[in-house]
Amino acid sequence: SAVISQKPSRDICQRGTSLTIQCQVDSQVTMMFWYRQQPGQSLTLIATANQGSEATYESGFVIDKFPISRPNLTFSTLTVSNMSPEDSSIYLCSVVGRGNEKLFFGSGTQLSVL
Amino acid sequence: RKEVEQDPGPFNVPEGATVAFNCTYSNSASQSFFWYRQDCRKEPKLLMSVYSSGNEDGRFTAQLNRASQYISLLIRDSKLSDSATYLCVVQGSNTGKLIFGQGTTLQVKP
Repeated sequence: SAVISQKPSRDICQRGTSLTIQCQVDSQVTMMFWYRQQPGQSLTLIATANQGSEATYESGFVIDKFPISRPNLTFSTLTVSNMSPEDSSIYLCSVVGRGNEKLFFGSGTQLSVL
Repeated sequence: RKEVEQDPGPFNVPEGATVAFNCTYSNSASQSFFWYRQDCRKEPKLLMSVYSSGNEDGRFTAQLNRASQYISLLIRDSKLSDSATYLCVVQGSNTGKLIFGQGTTLQVKP
């Protein structure tokens, strides 16, 4: 399995500000994803982070709100822009392990927006 | 109808009990299936894959029924440490995306 470091682990932010979450993997991986888990809900895929090109967003998520960078095969960032209380959630970075289809997760970022 | 449905529970069982969770999925073309475990305020972790022939890992047994489009997880001899939320995950054949169920919460009591 891949070792995934995600930071910050938690943050409390003011409405209207932006937060950038970082995800670092200890090995090169092809597939990296960003998920959101709202309180009491299951995981929802935000986007697939593509190395060297624009991320692929799922329905209901847009680049202006959730810009994503993927400069290389081991690192990605997700920014939550112009935050509102509705963005309070856990954000999770995930990767597909090399040689298999299994999905592994970072430890998550607990975001609270006041 | 949700793509992946689970009974959220909670399931409250005594130590040593056997407990089973079911999960139904709507896309008959789904190819891969998994159970993940998520502890409170932690990230999900892969518990086991689910194969057509069924598979067993210690006290845990997973089964797939393609005809009825459901998968199951059986936990024997429950331990206190089994208390967690169990997420059913289905991978679509066309997109390869993983779809997560809401999760079933298990509470094992002494």
